[in-house]
Amino acid sequence: ETGVTQSPTHLIKTRGQQVTLRCSSQSGHNTVSWYQQALGQGPQFIFQYYREEENGRGNFPPRFSGLQFPNYSSELNVNALELDDSALYLCASSFPGMGNSPLHFGNGTRLTVT
Amino acid sequence: KQEVTQIPAALSVPEGENLVLNCSFTDSAIYNLQWFRQDPGKGLTSLLLIQSSQREQTSGRLNASLDKSSGRSTLYIAASQPGDSATYLCAVRVIGNQFYFGTGTSLTVIP
Repeated sequence: ETGVTQSPTHLIKTRGQQVTLRCSSQSGHNTVSWYQQALGQGPQFIFQYYREEENGRGNFPPRFSGLQFPNYSSELNVNALELDDSALYLCASSFPGMGNSPLHFGNGTRLTVT
Repeated sequence: KQEVTQIPAALSVPEGENLVLNCSFTDSAIYNLQWFRQDPGKGLTSLLLIQSSQREQTSGRLNASLDKSSGRSTLYIAASQPGDSATYLCAVRVIGNQFYFGTGTSLTVIP
């Protein structure tokens, strides 16, 4: 069974640029959620995708957007990067989409905005 | 808005000691509560999930309890080992498919 994988592992961007982060869900998992974790803080929920539709969103501005593909993999896009966007971005998958299913996390993408 | 708090923020214990980590949440309307472990620079590893209708879950040396009415959960670790050193996070899932995490308890087990 393949776990959740994220790419890239590290990324450095300049303020104002755009970034795309990728996530492959665990085999058979149809739900993907994204989180932002600043240093020393707990993860903050960004949004969740189920069957290619966003079905939950945290308190993040519209410049944070996402996609889920038919194979359940997902992308997180962030436009107009700000210095405060520097964080560890985590992806989690779960199954089934709407039930009491544990979250399985990838190892994250460390984004640095300069 | 749901707020999740974990106390203490850091804990240091000698090997072999039993310990309890605390998690509190402000809104009792939750679907479930999950405990995770996070090693430095890594993702989160799921330890235990307690559904809102359950009172506790056990896995090996770990036992998690849930008192939804009082907004509290505890994670009990028996016979702690140096390999248990990590940050422990709790998270609640609420209506609208939203997830709220605490800031974690950093545990150090001293050999």
